[in-house]
Amino acid sequence: KAGVTQTPRYLIKTRGQQVTLSCSPISGHRSVSWYQQTPGQGLQFLFEYFSETQRNKGNFPGRFSGRQFSNSRSEMNVSTLELGDSALYLCASSPQAAGPFDDTQYFGPGTRLTVL
Amino acid sequence: DQQVKQNSPSLSVQEGRISILNCDYTNSMFDYFLWYKKYPAEGPTFLISISSIKDKNEDGRFTVFLNKSAKHLSLHIVPSQPGDSAVYFCAAISNSNSGYALNFGKGTSLLVTP
Repeated sequence: KAGVTQTPRYLIKTRGQQVTLSCSPISGHRSVSWYQQTPGQGLQFLFEYFSETQRNKGNFPGRFSGRQFSNSRSEMNVSTLELGDSALYLCASSPQAAGPFDDTQYFGPGTRLTVL
Repeated sequence: DQQVKQNSPSLSVQEGRISILNCDYTNSMFDYFLWYKKYPAEGPTFLISISSIKDKNEDGRFTVFLNKSAKHLSLHIVPSQPGDSAVYFCAAISNSNSGYALNFGKGTSLLVTP
């Protein structure tokens, strides 16, 4: 089975712009979670989608949003980019709605976003 | 505010010896803990987990210990191998009516030298 894929792998934007990141889960997986990784804050949970519905949300401002399509692919959008949004954005897929509880969460390689 | 803390940003261990990675947490509502391993340019991969009703879980060379009273968990790798060199993240989950909250530590970079 192909793993979780994320596009693009690298992205450079300027402050005030918006960005959309894409994640394709493993075939058959219905849960997609998004994470932000920065040196200062470590790995932080953004939100989880299951069957096109957001099930859980971390402590991030409303500038961070996401959606999931009927084929389970997910997009994450960040509007009005700030310098502090520079980070590695990771997507993870899971076959069930339990997310990390069932320990079968598979991560993609991430999208490296740089905000100038 | 960081609820899961990995106070050692790096650790160096000789091949064949034991690696001990530590993790402390502040939220007593955490009821499930996981360890992830991450190589450069790759996403984290799940390693081992433990429920709060247990104090030990073992999987091959990896053992996780949980001390609830001290709000402390540790990952032991015995024997350590050079391929274990990676960044290790501790994560904790709490579950409530509003859903689950997932919290990660900042990671500990383990270097296993031959």
